[in-house]
Formats: sequence, structure tokens, C-alpha cells
Amino acid sequence: AQSVTQLGSHVSVSEGALVLLRCNYSSSVPPYLFWYVQYPNQGLQLLLKYTTGATLVKGINGFEAEFKKSETSFHLTKPSAHMSDAAEYFCAVSDQGYSTLTFGKGTMLLVSP
Amino acid sequence: DTGVSQDPRHKITKRGQNVTFRCDPISEHNRLYWYRQTLGQGPEFLTYFQNEAQLEKSRLLSDRFSAERPKGSFSTLEIQRTEQGDSAMYLCASSSLDRGPGYTFGSGTRLTVV
Repeated sequence: AQSVTQLGSHVSVSEGALVLLRCNYSSSVPPYLFWYVQYPNQGLQLLLKYTTGATLVKGINGFEAEFKKSETSFHLTKPSAHMSDAAEYFCAVSDQGYSTLTFGKGTMLLVSP
Repeated sequence: DTGVSQDPRHKITKRGQNVTFRCDPISEHNRLYWYRQTLGQGPEFLTYFQNEAQLEKSRLLSDRFSAERPKGSFSTLEIQRTEQGDSAMYLCASSSLDRGPGYTFGSGTRLTVV
């Protein structure tokens, strides 16, 4: 069985500050890893994904994440937060058959001026 | 690529009524998924289809829930005898085996059972 743990249900940063959202996963097979963003009353938008190859993955809106197998982590970062980044972020894992996604509980990112 | 469409966006129903939601996936996507998201939680898998075949169902999908994907195109999710605990956002996603892993989600249907 797969699982995802997102540390911190809420993260607050100032505009221009570094964003770091933490994700740890558990998987019995090599995982595929995803980060999604959700704005209020909207569906989920894919930010980035890791499947194979380069462990540092770049996504949209300046976000990136690094797959660290030894730490079973896939933390999301952005060098400089923007007010428009305020949203809920979900980390997810699937097996390589990618039949289903298992999501974490999400982290709400709050950005203050 | 017109995205994944879900209808309706919002549904308020009385307890005990039946409701049906529709999802239109991206046309070339052969896989379609349903997820449920309750307040403060991440989405939870309900079921998925490959073409018209329903390949997997979560234990969350009680016998009051049924999903179909006739002809491998749009899908419907029906909830019979709704309960207050069914209040949630119901999300649909689609993907294509040919285009590698990646799921495109719709905007969801928000169900409120009163």
C-alpha cells in the first residue's frame, strides 16, 4: 500500500520568501510522484511530476521538487513566493501502473504582503 | 484539448434523494477516474475505467454508489439514497496510457446533502 505524509497543514510565508512544502511517501515499488495545486472551489492543477530520470523536476509557475529516494521525500520549493501562490498543495504517489493516485492531506500555503 | 468537464458544478439535495453527476474526459484519454474530496482532506480514490471497463473500485464506493462509462466516452456517477456524509467535492480525472503518467482533473461537483 502507498501513503503520503505532508508535514504542516498550513505554511505561512512572506511575499518574496522561499517556499518549502514537505512531502514524504511510502511505496513498495518505485513511485511516480506528483504535486498538484488547488484554488478554492476548483479542481486540481498539475504543478510537476517525477517518473524516472533526473531527480530534480521543474514545474510550472517557478516551482520545483527533488526526488530523494534515500529520504523517501519529494519536497516542493519555490525561491520567491508570490501572492498568487496562495492555495492548497497536494502531494500524490502512484505505482508505475499509475492506476490510482494516493494523495496527502494537503498543505495550505498562505502568502502575506 | 478542451479539458475535463464536470456537470453540475454544484448540487444541493435532500437526504434520501438520488443524484447523478457527469464527467466528460479529454477526448483522446482512455482512462477515467473518480475521486471524492471532503473538507480538509486530500482526494480519495473511488473508481476508475479503462475505456468502458470499470477496472477498480475502492471500498469507499458503497452499494449506494454506481459509476458507468458507456461506450468509453463520458462517465456518470450516481449516488442513491444520499446521506449527509456524502457531502463532498466529487472530482473526475482522465489520462492516456499512450501519453505517460499524468492526470487531468475537472473542476469538480460540489454536493451538499441537507
